[in-house]
Amino acid sequence: DAMVIQNPRYQVTQFGKPVTLSCSQTLNHNVMYWYQQKSSQAPKLLFHYYDKDFNNEADTPDNFQSRRPNTSFCFLDIRSPGLGDAAMYLCATSRDRQRPTYNEQFFGPGTRLTVL
Amino acid sequence: SQQGEEDPQALSIQEGENATMNCSYKTSINNLQWYRQNSGRGLVHLILIRSNEREKHSGRLRVTLDTSKKSSSLLITASRAADTASYFCATDIVGDTGRRALTFGSGTRLQVQP
Repeated sequence: DAMVIQNPRYQVTQFGKPVTLSCSQTLNHNVMYWYQQKSSQAPKLLFHYYDKDFNNEADTPDNFQSRRPNTSFCFLDIRSPGLGDAAMYLCATSRDRQRPTYNEQFFGPGTRLTVL
Repeated sequence: SQQGEEDPQALSIQEGENATMNCSYKTSINNLQWYRQNSGRGLVHLILIRSNEREKHSGRLRVTLDTSKKSSSLLITASRAADTASYFCATDIVGDTGRRALTFGSGTRLQVQP
């Protein structure tokens, strides 16, 4: 089945130790997104790729970076995690952001990050 | 902020009852979407309503959109215990640069008691 896969599902890291979360998709969608979701809050968009075009949200900290080596994979790198970065990180894809009737997003199960 | 606001924040009902959740937003939209999230999981798309539509149905779901009031509602009829989840509205907008994004509301936590 076509899907969005996130690995690992649970990640524990130490304060200040770099961590990478991964996302892959078999939907062949050209847009991929990373969201941060803290407990009982709305998902907050960090950045997204439209093909290889990287779009960073204005309030995304510099501590967060992303890579998209090909259509299927996208990575979230947290260079120096702080306690406030503990959250669920959600990857999503969509088919095309230009057509006004689309932009339905397909989400992965998320990676829950714990920072010790 | 262009984030949607949802109410109620939490809703507890008995199985078989209807559940209504409301969403308000601030800017003009292309469409509005509703998503469901089970605890500790990713979001699942439920329904999309375009800005020129007023009502849409999908199974036990009914969504309305009032662009003049910048509000939407999601009605789940004949609720089941399996409907227990958080429900988010998301507005699809185009900014000044032509970039599109979904902005999620704060969500309604629905508990359906068997």
